[in-house]
Amino acid sequence: ETGVTQTPRHLVMGMTNKKSLKCEQHLGHNAMYWYKQSAKKPLELMFVYNFKEQTENNSVPSRFSPECPNSSHLFLHLHTLQPEDSALYLCASRSTGYSNQPQHFGDGTRLSIL
Amino acid sequence: AQTVTQSQPEMSVQEAETVTLSCTYDTSENNYYLFWYKQPPSRQMILVIRQEAYKQQNATENRFSVNFQKAAKSFSLKISDSQLGDTAMYFCALNTGFQKLVFGTGTRLLVSP
Repeated sequence: ETGVTQTPRHLVMGMTNKKSLKCEQHLGHNAMYWYKQSAKKPLELMFVYNFKEQTENNSVPSRFSPECPNSSHLFLHLHTLQPEDSALYLCASRSTGYSNQPQHFGDGTRLSIL
Repeated sequence: AQTVTQSQPEMSVQEAETVTLSCTYDTSENNYYLFWYKQPPSRQMILVIRQEAYKQQNATENRFSVNFQKAAKSFSLKISDSQLGDTAMYFCALNTGFQKLVFGTGTRLLVSP
C-alpha cells in the first residue's frame, strides 16, 4: 500500500484521443503534484495543487488539463497529445505543515502516444 | 534558480560492498532541505533519506548515510553493505520552498552478486 494510487498503470492512446489519468492519496495530505518523467531528463514538475487550488503551472501546454476536486484526488485530462508527450507521469502528495516533509509518490502511469 | 547535478549516470557495485553516489546543488537560499529518492524498476519513487540544511550532523538511515558539505553544496549518498534490492535509479532532490522539489537527472545503480 503506497498511500498514493495512480490509474491506469499503462495507457496507449492516439493523438486525437481524450483520456484522463487519476491519482488518489490516502495520507491526509493537502498538496498534490503532477510530474513528467522522460528518459535521461530530470523530473519535470507540471502542476501543483494546494488545498484544491492550483498554485503552480510550470508552462505546461494546454493539451494537459489538471483537475483537483478535493484534497485526495487529482486528475490529468489529456487531449490531442503529441508523440513527445510519451513518458511516465507521476503523481505525488505532501503535507504542507513543514518544509522538510517529503513528497510521497505513486507508481506512475506509463503513457505512450501513437 | 535552484539546480541539482548528479554527475554519475551509472554505477555498479558488488553485493556487500559500499558505494557513494554524488550530488551537488546550487541555491541562494540559506534554509533548505535535501532528499535522496530511490526508484526501482517497479517505478515507485521512495524516500531514502533527508537532510535539513541547518543541521550539521549527517543524516543516517540504517545502511544509508549522507555526507553533507554545505559550503561545497555537496550532498552525497553512501550505501553500505549493498544488497541486490538496492538496484534502482537514485535521485537527489532539493526543496527550498513550501512546494517545489528540484530533482537531478539520477544515477542508475546496479548491485551485482
